[in-house]
Amino acid sequence: DAEITQSPRHKITETGRQVTLACHQTWNHNNMFWYRQDLGHGLRLIHYSYGVQDTNKGEVSDGYSVSRSNTEDLPLTLESAASSQTSVYFCASSESRAPNEQFFGPGTRLTVL
Amino acid sequence: QKEVEQDPGPLSVPEGAIVSLNCTYSNSAFQYFMWYRQYSRKGPELLMYTYSSGNKEDGRFTAQVDKSSKYISLFIRDSQPSDSATYLCAMSAQGGSYIPTFGRGTSLIVHP
Repeated sequence: DAEITQSPRHKITETGRQVTLACHQTWNHNNMFWYRQDLGHGLRLIHYSYGVQDTNKGEVSDGYSVSRSNTEDLPLTLESAASSQTSVYFCASSESRAPNEQFFGPGTRLTVL
Repeated sequence: QKEVEQDPGPLSVPEGAIVSLNCTYSNSAFQYFMWYRQYSRKGPELLMYTYSSGNKEDGRFTAQVDKSSKYISLFIRDSQPSDSATYLCAMSAQGGSYIPTFGRGTSLIVHP
């Protein structure tokens, strides 16, 4: 069955370290998204991509970067982790640019000490 | 003011109750309205999807959109303990990126 996976599921790191969160989908979807979810804020969009070599900034992109070298993967990199980036991170994908269902991964719980 | 407002709850109801979950929004360009359900420590999954105004029913779930009031609702009939989850509304405008704007989510607890 097609799916979307995230790794690691849990990560503890220190302030200033570079961290990369992986997202892999097997639906062959063009669109991929990264969100963070915090109490009181709901889901906030970090970066998104409409296809290979395409990346766009979302609402809360400062301190994060993404690259899209193939259809299946959109890794999220925190260049220099900060305590404010402690959060649960969700990757999602969707089939086309028109409004339709986003399929979410299981999430990565990141703690920055 | 956020574009999409949603009361975080928690909302606690007895099994069998009718549940009403609501969101208000300020962007009149929103045309697509969605409800996602998120179980604890899981990713959200799409529950209901409607376009423009009106009602949509799927089993025990009914989604309602009132564009004149900028207000959407999700009704759950005969609520079950398995309905205990966080419900997020989401909406997007026609044209452009179509990327949805999410509400904060309402935590629902259905107790036996």
